[in-house]
Amino acid sequence: AQSVTQLDSHVSVSEGTPVLLRCNYSSSYSPSLFWYVQHPNKGLQLLLKYTSAATLVKGINGFEAEFKKSETSFHLTKPSAHMSDAAEYFCVVSPLGETGANNLFFGTGTRLTVIP
Amino acid sequence: DGGITQSPKYLFRKEGQNVTLSCEQNLNHDAMYWYRQDPGQGLRLIYYSQIVNDFQKGDIAEGYSVSREKKESFPLTVTSAQKNPTAFYLCASRRSRDSISYEQYFGPGTRLTVT
Repeated sequence: AQSVTQLDSHVSVSEGTPVLLRCNYSSSYSPSLFWYVQHPNKGLQLLLKYTSAATLVKGINGFEAEFKKSETSFHLTKPSAHMSDAAEYFCVVSPLGETGANNLFFGTGTRLTVIP
Repeated sequence: DGGITQSPKYLFRKEGQNVTLSCEQNLNHDAMYWYRQDPGQGLRLIYYSQIVNDFQKGDIAEGYSVSREKKESFPLTVTSAQKNPTAFYLCASRRSRDSISYEQYFGPGTRLTVT
């Protein structure tokens, strides 16, 4: 079975400190993985994606994520949080070999709060 | 500019009325999706379509209906049979479901309030 687990429903950091949003997945095969950001009352915007190339993926706004197959993780990081980073973040997995029905699985989201 | 548009941004309806939410994309994407999002919750799939004139139920299709008569359009009707229609509705498209590397593109959403 395929699934995505975002380990924290809410993360709070001070402005200028590092951000870590955790995501674990289960997949029978090597998946593609995505991180999206959603600001209040807006649609989702793609931050970055992993598609079996380099395991360290750089995205927009200074975010990056590392695919660790041995740990089945795809954690999102940023060295220094900015007030504008306050939003909801979603981890999404698209497993190789998944056929038939819809082949995208969403995590339940992590709300990031940035304290001035 | 290529993208997905949803209209209107805010929609108010009386209980018992059907309402149709619009979703249009000019990205030439094959697949389109409708999600529902409730406060503090993730996205739940309502319907998706991989090709014109074809669509499949998602996890919470009851009380909803869709059509896909044109590649660029995927309207969602919230019927009076939907018990709790008040929510934020998101439309998305994807180049093709055949490649797992393709990401989804999302519209700005429609907030529906039913009283």
